[in-house]
Amino acid sequence: DAGVTQSPTHLIKTRGQQVTLRCSPKSGHDTVSWYQQALGQGPQFIFQYYEEEERQRGNFPDRFSGHQFPNYSSELNVNALLLGDSALYLCASSLAGPRYNEQFFGPGTRLTVL
Amino acid sequence: AQKVTQAQTEISVVEKEDVTLDCVYETRDTTYYLFWYKQPPSGELVFLIRRNSFDEQNEISGRYSWNFQKSTSSFNFTITASQVVDSAVYFCALSELAGGTSYGKLTFGQGTILTVHP
Repeated sequence: DAGVTQSPTHLIKTRGQQVTLRCSPKSGHDTVSWYQQALGQGPQFIFQYYEEEERQRGNFPDRFSGHQFPNYSSELNVNALLLGDSALYLCASSLAGPRYNEQFFGPGTRLTVL
Repeated sequence: AQKVTQAQTEISVVEKEDVTLDCVYETRDTTYYLFWYKQPPSGELVFLIRRNSFDEQNEISGRYSWNFQKSTSSFNFTITASQVVDSAVYFCALSELAGGTSYGKLTFGQGTILTVHP
């Protein structure tokens, strides 16, 4: 049973560039959430996708956008990268419904912005 | 707004010692979930426990135990007879229940770095 997978593992970009991160949810899961974890901090909720729509969003600017595909996989896009966007980006998958709180996390993508 | 505070930034113990990680939370909701996650150096968050606000019974799972006290808004985590493999960052998190505009967003504390020395 495959868990949550993310790609790439590491990424280096320069300020002003755009980046796309990818996530495949755990088998059977239909909901994907994205979190940003800066060094030494706890993860911060970015947004959640269900049925190919963003249904909840944290306190992040519009430079952060996402997408969910019919197979439930998801992408996180960040435009006009800033140095402060350097972080570990975590994807979590879950099931809609009463057990949605049980989120399973992937290994993350470490983004470095120079 | 929800908030989770883990006042202990770092804890260092010697193997076989017991260690307790503190977690204090704030929420206006009457029903909610509390979680503990472990993050080893690999970076992946590993789920340890989920507890809903209606269930204040303490829970034990092997060397791990959790003490939930609603009166003090605390959800503390104890590792008995710690081992080197327990070294990791531990996060406490809070989530609202379903309904309205809530879909399980997790609010995390800052984390506690636990180092267990041989």
